[in-house]
Amino acid sequence: SQQGEEDPQALSIQEGENATMNCSYKTSINNLQWYRQNSGRGLVHLILIRSNEREKHSGRLRVTLDTSKKSSSLLITASRAADTASYFCAADYNTDKLIFGTGTRLQVFP
Amino acid sequence: DAGITQSPRHKVTETGTPVTLRCHQTENHRYMYWYRQDPGHGLRLIHYSYGVKDTDKGEVSDGYSVSRSKTEDFLLTLESATSSQTSVYFCAISESMAGDGNQPQHFGDGTRLSIL
Repeated sequence: SQQGEEDPQALSIQEGENATMNCSYKTSINNLQWYRQNSGRGLVHLILIRSNEREKHSGRLRVTLDTSKKSSSLLITASRAADTASYFCAADYNTDKLIFGTGTRLQVFP
Repeated sequence: DAGITQSPRHKVTETGTPVTLRCHQTENHRYMYWYRQDPGHGLRLIHYSYGVKDTDKGEVSDGYSVSRSKTEDFLLTLESATSSQTSVYFCAISESMAGDGNQPQHFGDGTRLSIL
């Protein structure tokens, strides 16, 4: 299986703190994508980072990609209670399918 | 939000009965996908479509079939449902296929299917 791994599986923080989630993947990729899933809802795309990019920002989100270590990190700065959700990475291995990780459950306490 | 509607949103049925889930999109995207989501497994691809009448198998296709007679509709059928197919099913769409254009997928809100 090419399924990547995410860590931690669960993360609990206070509002205002930063949250960091990590994703490891198996082989070379075309791009790495991050998604958020609120309880009872579908996945929502957050950021796509291409294999030739090292860092990307979107609002309070910062994604890094280290192709030598086959890993990516998602940083959410100044977390809010509304950021409570599950976060998934998905690897595009250039094989016409995305392979999703098992996700990190983030709980942000007010 | 991308225009993706899944129906039904919830269904309870018995083992051995046929079940059809529908995904309808208003975005005119060429690619459509069916995933199942189970605890500890993340999302796993069941089948996908790259055009009208063009479909292919994903990672966990056994026991499932699909059809796409129109761009906007992608149907997932469980011919004879089993308890192992109890899951949450998600439909997704995209403008390009993974590996060919850096486009994300957009998801519906899922169908929660329970097979007793």
